[in-house]
Amino acid sequence: SAVISQKPSRDICQRGTSLTIQCQVDSQVTMMFWYRQQPGQSLTLIATANQGSEATYESGFVIDKFPISRPNLTFSTLTVSNMSPEDSSIYLCSVFGGEEQYFGPGTRLTVT
Amino acid sequence: SQKIEQNSEALNIQEGKTATLTCNYTNYSPAYLQWYRQDPGRGPVFLLLIRENEKEKRKERLKVTFDTTLKQSLFHITASQPADSATYLCALDMKDDSWGKLQFGAGTQVVVTP
Repeated sequence: SAVISQKPSRDICQRGTSLTIQCQVDSQVTMMFWYRQQPGQSLTLIATANQGSEATYESGFVIDKFPISRPNLTFSTLTVSNMSPEDSSIYLCSVFGGEEQYFGPGTRLTVT
Repeated sequence: SQKIEQNSEALNIQEGKTATLTCNYTNYSPAYLQWYRQDPGRGPVFLLLIRENEKEKRKERLKVTFDTTLKQSLFHITASQPADSATYLCALDMKDDSWGKLQFGAGTQVVVTP
């Protein structure tokens, strides 16, 4: 199993600013995934973060807006840059381990 | 691109009955399908994974079926309890070499009343 923690758990940010979300896993994993859940919507994959290489972004998401770091096998950060109210969402990191997928508790971001 | 459909209307069910949820998909042949539970304000919690070559899987009071011909999965909660009230999401793999890349349905809310 894997236990995932995220920081911060929630934040309220002003338009135009940036927020960096941290994700820590209690075991080493090759890939970490970042998802977004907009209000009333389901989860959408933003990008896949591999240690030692650049993140791979899904259609509709770009590195300039959502830069990701993956400095080691247990940690990753996602930055939401130049925020607008449309970025208000829950951001979740996730790992896949064996037969199960694990999600962090999420970071609830509100942009005013 | 693939499309995943789940019942958008909440499922209201009496305690002790079986709740049955549907997940339909199109334009795709997933290698596996997963079901999650999500409570308000929390991240999804993994429940079951079923592979394309499996017809049925069980875990305690949960049962999942996977019909690749109909492109449909059914999720059953037997002997439902009020604590089962939550939103249930189905998710399909994104046909990539990487396990863990998922596309989610919108979810179905289940409300179990005593």
